[in-house]
Order: sequence, then structure tokens, then C-alpha cells
Amino acid sequence: DAGVIQSPRHEVTEMGQEVTLRCKPISGHDYLFWYRQTMMRGLELLIYFNNNVPIDDSGMPEDRFSAKMPNASFSTLKIQPSEPRDSAVYFCASRRGRGGEKLFFGSGTQLSVL
Amino acid sequence: EDQVTQSPEALRLQEGESSSLNCSYTVSGLRGLFWYRQDPGKGPEFLFTLYSAGEEKEKERLKATLTKKESFLHITAPKPEDSATYLCAVQALATGTASKLTFGTGTRLQVTL
Repeated sequence: DAGVIQSPRHEVTEMGQEVTLRCKPISGHDYLFWYRQTMMRGLELLIYFNNNVPIDDSGMPEDRFSAKMPNASFSTLKIQPSEPRDSAVYFCASRRGRGGEKLFFGSGTQLSVL
Repeated sequence: EDQVTQSPEALRLQEGESSSLNCSYTVSGLRGLFWYRQDPGKGPEFLFTLYSAGEEKEKERLKATLTKKESFLHITAPKPEDSATYLCAVQALATGTASKLTFGTGTRLQVTL
């Protein structure tokens, strides 16, 4: 199994630009999560999907952030326009079923907004 | 609001020097408490789930325990390969967002020869 695949691994952009982060979950997993990690706040849940449907987006910081899951094997997190305070590592994670354990994380996207 | 506090922020041990990491939590009702390990440049990797006070889980040199207010991750005779950040997370019983995990900021462990 290839695991959760995220791209790009690193993204450097200028303030005001659009940023799109991509995620391919593990095949057969019906839950997908987007987290953001910073030194100060740790891992914060932004949004999660169940069977491609957004269930809870209360962690999305503001309207500049949007996420989609057009099918079971692909999700995107978009920031438009980006700001320096968005700089963080963004993780995608997936799992099977309603249970909370054994979230499988991708390697993350390191985002730097200059 | 669910809260997780981990201490210490960083810990440096010599190989073979046992110690414990702490995770204090506040949650309306605990469904489960989780421990993850994170290596630099990688995503967190699942270690344990604990569901009720008094429960213990072990894996190699690691043992996790749970009380009604906190969890400990005991590391016995650590080796350099145990160096990582250890994350604690809680999942609440209540609400329709039962899948949500709330993470602490982690303990960075360094084990030296």
C-alpha cells in the first residue's frame, strides 16, 4: 500500500497568490482529514470528509480556505489569497470507518508564504 | 472545548535512562485517548489507543497508561531510534463530529548515546 500521498512536498509562494494542496488517500478509506501543524498551535483539524462529503469544516480559518473531494481518491485544499500567517505544514490523513484510531497521515506539505 | 496539554515540551535522555511523558486532558466525555509518534519531515504515526481509566498498552519499550485526567507514556531503557516527537490526542464522546481528534503540541524526545 502506497499510503496517503500528498503533493507538493514543499511550496513557496508570495502573499496574495493562490495555493492548491493535493491529497490521495489510502484506497478503501472513507474518511479524509486535513490538518495544519504549527509550533505554536500544534495539529489543528481544518476539515474532514466522509464518503466524499464535507462533514465538519468548523476548523477552516476563514473564507480564503476551501476544500473539495470530487471522488474517493482525490482531495484538494485551496488557499486564495494566501497570507504569511498561512505558513505551516499541512497534513492529509485518512482512515476506514467511524472509529477514531489509526489515522494514516501523509508526509505533509510545507507551505511558506512570503 | 476539548484541551490537551503535554509536558515537558522537550526531553533529552541518555540511552537506557527511563522516563515518562505526560498528557493532561479536558474533554466533555472521553471516547478515546491516542498516542502518535512523529519523525522529522513525516506525518504522525499511530502508536496506541486507550479507552478507559486504568487501561495500559505496551509496545516494545513504550507503555501508555490512562487516568481520568491524564495519560503517561513511559519509555523504558530508550534507544537513539526512539528520538521523535510524541503526540497525544483525545476524541470526545459527544456530538456528531465524533471523528474529530484534538491534539496536544507534543513532546520532543532526544535520546543520546
